[in-house]
Amino acid sequence: GQQVMQIPQYQHVQEGEDFTTYCNSSTTLSNIQWYKQRPGGHPVFLIQLVKSGEVKKQKRLTFQFGEAKKNSSLHITATQTTDVGTYFCAGHGGATNKLIFGTGTLLAVQP
Amino acid sequence: GAVVSQHPSWVICKSGTSVKIECRSLDFQATTMFWYRQFPKQSLMLMATSNEGSKATYEQGVEKDKFLINHASLTLSTLTVTSAHPEDSSFYICSASTSDGPHEQFFGPGTRLTVL
Repeated sequence: GQQVMQIPQYQHVQEGEDFTTYCNSSTTLSNIQWYKQRPGGHPVFLIQLVKSGEVKKQKRLTFQFGEAKKNSSLHITATQTTDVGTYFCAGHGGATNKLIFGTGTLLAVQP
Repeated sequence: GAVVSQHPSWVICKSGTSVKIECRSLDFQATTMFWYRQFPKQSLMLMATSNEGSKATYEQGVEKDKFLINHASLTLSTLTVTSAHPEDSSFYICSASTSDGPHEQFFGPGTRLTVL
């Protein structure tokens, strides 16, 4: 079945350093979504990318969707302690409304 | 934005009992609702997809007789964990979508189930 992997599993950075998580799908995705889950909380929608090669920015966060629509990345510039949490990518394969979540990357930020 | 609530937020029960979890879309009509399970330090695993008025579609490996899903209206879906056992202890999260096809899902706050 369809699998969505993320690397790294865990990243520990000093506040102010940059952070990137990579998402790879075994199949082509119709879109990719990114979610953030704080410890003890539920996933919160961050963004959706639809077009091949699309790049979107939200303040210090930059999201990319690969040309082949099988991979994506999230880059955070100058991390802050409020960025702590697990970042999940999630994708729809084809026309289905079923969302397959990636394995997640846990970000720890040391002040 | 769209709000999804879940009730209860946490529940502790004895082994062998059944537990019902409610998922409500508060300010929109949810064509489709999804139920996920998340074990500690793991990703969300889709359990089933439910459309209002029809039977839920379960993912491979999820027992439909153990995890009963009812989607009686466009704003309410329920998940009942029947004859719960300690291995069913997990974080159960629902989400709702306003349309068919690949769209943003709005997640509920989750229900933490502990089975003793």
